[in-house]
Amino acid sequence: SQTIHQWPATLVQPVGSPLSLECTVEGTSNPNLYWYRQAAGRGLQLLFYSVGIGQISSEVPQNLSASRPQDRQFILSSKKLLLSDSGFYLCAWSGGAGYPVGTEAFFGQGTRLTVV
Amino acid sequence: AQKVTQAQTEISVVEKEDVTLDCVYETRDTTYYLFWYKQPPSGELVFLIRRNSFDEQNEISGRYSWNFQKSTSSFNFTITASQVVDSAVYFCALRGRRSSGSARQLTFGSGTQLTVLP
Repeated sequence: SQTIHQWPATLVQPVGSPLSLECTVEGTSNPNLYWYRQAAGRGLQLLFYSVGIGQISSEVPQNLSASRPQDRQFILSSKKLLLSDSGFYLCAWSGGAGYPVGTEAFFGQGTRLTVV
Repeated sequence: AQKVTQAQTEISVVEKEDVTLDCVYETRDTTYYLFWYKQPPSGELVFLIRRNSFDEQNEISGRYSWNFQKSTSSFNFTITASQVVDSAVYFCALRGRRSSGSARQLTFGSGTQLTVLP
């Protein structure tokens, strides 16, 4: 069965420090991968998605970047964190090419980031 | 463009009451997919159900049921005999058939916070 791992679970970082959140998926190949952010107001905002190694698309211009160095690894980064980067970050995967379009997405347990 | 609206931001019920969470969607796609997710206090989004636009058969699963009405673009979710453990934020989501340029991304509603009181 497929599983998704995301870490760390919580993180407190000072303003201006770098960030690296990692997400890995097991049990599937060539998944679509996503990073979402959930601010205090509960809405889920898609930040980045990837359909393959090295292929990253950004939905919202911001202080963050993403990379996919391996098929099942997705990394969210920042060189210098801002206070506004605080939030709950969720990684997700869904079936890629060869899967039905309507396949659901499965989410990791999330990282609660507080920038101080 | 796709849009999902969950007009109910917060709902409180007493245990054993039935509760319905509303979801209204907009899409130009003729084929699309609707989802419900549950987010308990731990934060993880838990997938509950998927419905295809070409299948309007409603579904019951234990205490959960879903009412898909294509004519009114609604996909409502009902919990029967609610329990305290049902307390969570519930999200409705939509994916269009084309989803071109977005790698099958989900468009989420803003969520409904359900609190079930003992």
